[in-house]
Formats: sequence, structure tokens, C-alpha cells
Amino acid sequence: KQEVTQIPAALSVPEGENLVLNCSFTDSAIYNLQWFRQDPGKGLTSLLLIQSSQREQTSGRLNASLDKSSGRSTLYIAASQPGDSATYLCAVSPDSSYKLIFGSGTRLLVRP
Amino acid sequence: DTEVTQTPKHLVMGMTNKKSLKCEQHMGHRAMYWYKQKAKKPPELMFVYSYEKLSINESVPSRFSPECPNSSLLNLHLHALQPEDSALYLCASSLQGGELFFGEGSRLTVL
Repeated sequence: KQEVTQIPAALSVPEGENLVLNCSFTDSAIYNLQWFRQDPGKGLTSLLLIQSSQREQTSGRLNASLDKSSGRSTLYIAASQPGDSATYLCAVSPDSSYKLIFGSGTRLLVRP
Repeated sequence: DTEVTQTPKHLVMGMTNKKSLKCEQHMGHRAMYWYKQKAKKPPELMFVYSYEKLSINESVPSRFSPECPNSSLLNLHLHALQPEDSALYLCASSLQGGELFFGEGSRLTVL
């Protein structure tokens, strides 16, 4: 059974720091992996989608990598800003069946 | 337009009430989803519709009744809910195997 883990559960950094959020999964046979951002009381915003055949995806200051063999993905945020403060969730799709398995998220606080 | 629109944003209902949550998307996505999210927890999948047919029902109690009237609309009918059903209800849509787009959610409180 696929399990997705995100460590740390919470992270506090000063503004301007580059940071890495981690996501690990137990079964390397995945279809794709998606990173989301969620602000308190709001819906999820899709940040990046990595297909199983891809190694990384980039959008602005965000870069997500995927290493299926080791069951890991990282989300790199460059030059963090207070507006980046949110909960970041990764989710794995085991196949094309529409199911997503979510990690518990990392709550990020970027201090001015 | 990469928007999923949910109404109402907030809903308070008694345990004997009947209400509905609504979701709309115009991205041409043929998969639509209902998720339930409790505080400080990840979303939990409830239902998936694919091409307007119910594809996945994650053993959700019958007091939650989904409906997909057409490819752009998704409803969740609520009846005889319990206080523990209070949560944020999220709608999402996608192409098959593609990126999920979520709405802002409907915050439900059951008294």
C-alpha cells in the first residue's frame, strides 16, 4: 500500500533563504506526483506536476525533482518570501485511476 | 480559465436539513472530484466522476449523495448529516491522469 510522508511537519525560515521541502513515498511505481500549496481555510493550488518519466519541473522560483528509484521528491523554493508562507502538500498518483495519495503536508512560515 | 468555482463558500445546517454544495468548471475536464478535509489533515477522496459517470465512491455514507448533471457541473447533496461531518469540502477537476485543479472549498458546519 502506497504511503506518502512529508518531513518536516513545520518549518520556519527567515526571508530570502533558499529551502527544500521533502516528500517520500513507499512504492516507486507511480504515475505522477503533484505539489500543492494551501493557504489557511482555502483550497489547494497546484504548483507543479511531474510525470513518472520526468526528473524535474520548474515554475518561477520553484523547482520540483523526482527520484522514483529512491521514492523521493523535493520542492526547492528559491529566495523565499513571506507570501510563500502556507502548507505545502505532495500527492502521488499510483496509476491513471484518478486517485491521489496525499502526504500530511509541511507548514512553512517565512519570517520578514 | 483554470478555475473551479464552488458555492456556497460557507454553509451552516442542522442535522435534519437538506442542502447542496455546487461546483462548476469550464476547462473541458471530464473528471470531477469531491474531497473532504478536516483541520490540519490532508484532503480525503470521497467521489470521482469520469465522463459524468460515478467512477469512485470511497465508501462514503449515504447521507452524502453526489450528482453530475453535465460535464461542467458537480453537486453534493447533503441530508441528515452529523456534527462530525463538519469540514471543508473541496471540488476538483482534471483531465485523466493530469493535473488536479481545486476550488476554494465550501466550509460546512453541522449543528
